[in-house]
Amino acid sequence: DIQMTQSPSSLSASVGDRVTITCRASQSISIYLNWYQQKPGKALKSLIYGGSNLQSGVPSRFSGSGSGTDFTLTISSLEPEDFATYYCQQSYFGPWTFGQGTRVDIK
Amino acid sequence: EVELVESGGGLVQPGGSLRLSCAASGFTFYNYWMTWVRQAPGKGLQWVANINHNGIEQYYVDPVKGRFIISRDDAKNSVYLQMNSLGVDDTAVYYCARLRFGSTTNYFDYWGQGALVTVSS
Repeated sequence: DIQMTQSPSSLSASVGDRVTITCRASQSISIYLNWYQQKPGKALKSLIYGGSNLQSGVPSRFSGSGSGTDFTLTISSLEPEDFATYYCQQSYFGPWTFGQGTRVDIK
Repeated sequence: EVELVESGGGLVQPGGSLRLSCAASGFTFYNYWMTWVRQAPGKGLQWVANINHNGIEQYYVDPVKGRFIISRDDAKNSVYLQMNSLGVDDTAVYYCARLRFGSTTNYFDYWGQGALVTVSS
């Protein structure tokens, strides 16, 4: 199975900060990499698909980049509603696998 | 508006069975693959199963093969997960999601809020 490793596992940040989360695949996955946001008690939300494509309705402060094995999710200026856990996921080869998550909380 | 609502979760003894349902609305259900993803308490996400748009193809993660069955009823706009021979490791919140195929990736574009399955004696 393809292993997905996110870093950091958690981070503390302030509103207005620029936040970067990285995701590394154990083998090349081209651009078959997606990002999701999870908040307690709410449905998961798709943010980025295909490495860098912004899901409809997602604010432009979210962006994704990378290809092959290394990917990043960037939040250009953190808003209060962005405090959540973020997961990367590969859909290049089955079984589709997720990273362990990165929790973003308030500093 | 796309909406996915899971039901059927609960407490079940080891070795028991449970059937989850996911009711979909707000889109043309028969055009889409559907999926189940689970999350054990305090843990990350694990893809469980996919079913194609006409129900002919199903795919499963290894730990559930031979025990879980994904199915769908397009007349009811619903997808199901029949879970048999449940073990404590199956304890999780189970999410239904819509699968979107694209030229550059495949991804889950809409998710339900989940149904909790607890396997315990």
